[in-house]
Amino acid sequence: DAGVTQSPTHLIKTRGQQVTLRCSPISGHKSVSWYQQVLGQGPQFIFQYYEKEERGRGNFPDRFSARQFPNYSSELNVNALLLGDSALYLCASSLGGQNEKLFFGSGTQLSVL
Amino acid sequence: DQQVKQNSPSLSVQEGRISILNCDYTNSMFDYFLWYKKYPAEGPTFLISISSIKDKNEDGRFTVFLNKSAKHLSLHIVPSQPGDSAVYFCAASAVTRGSTLGRLYFGRGTQLTVWP
Repeated sequence: DAGVTQSPTHLIKTRGQQVTLRCSPISGHKSVSWYQQVLGQGPQFIFQYYEKEERGRGNFPDRFSARQFPNYSSELNVNALLLGDSALYLCASSLGGQNEKLFFGSGTQLSVL
Repeated sequence: DQQVKQNSPSLSVQEGRISILNCDYTNSMFDYFLWYKKYPAEGPTFLISISSIKDKNEDGRFTVFLNKSAKHLSLHIVPSQPGDSAVYFCAASAVTRGSTLGRLYFGRGTQLTVWP
């Protein structure tokens, strides 16, 4: 079975541009979460979506937005990119129950120049 | 404010010995804890978890201990193997009734190096 897949794997943008990152969860998983990992830090929660509804949002500015599609795949959008947005963006999926483990994709490495 | 803390950025252990990775948390609402392992250029991989109703969970070479009164958990790897060399993240969640697990609070990670 395929795991969580993310695209693209690497991306280079300039300040002020917009970016869209994509995630396909494991088949049967209805919950998708997004995390940002800056070098030397642990992943930071950005969003969680379950059954196409936003279930949680971390402490990120409104420049960050996301959505989940009927097939449970998800997109993360970041507008007006800043240098500080350079990070590894991780997508995780789960079935959506309590006390479950999250399965992570390999991430999208975003560099903002 | 860092609610999950891993105060040792690195740990070096000889093959065959025990590796002990530590984690502290500040939020008393956390009731579910996980350990993830991460290799370069890969996403975190789930290792083991523990619910707050337990104080120990074991899976093969990996054992997690939870001390709720001290808000401390640790991961023991016995025996350590060179393939265990990776960054280990401690994570915690406050799963409220009826909600779904999605938001994890991570520590900064500990780089484990197991040498032959």
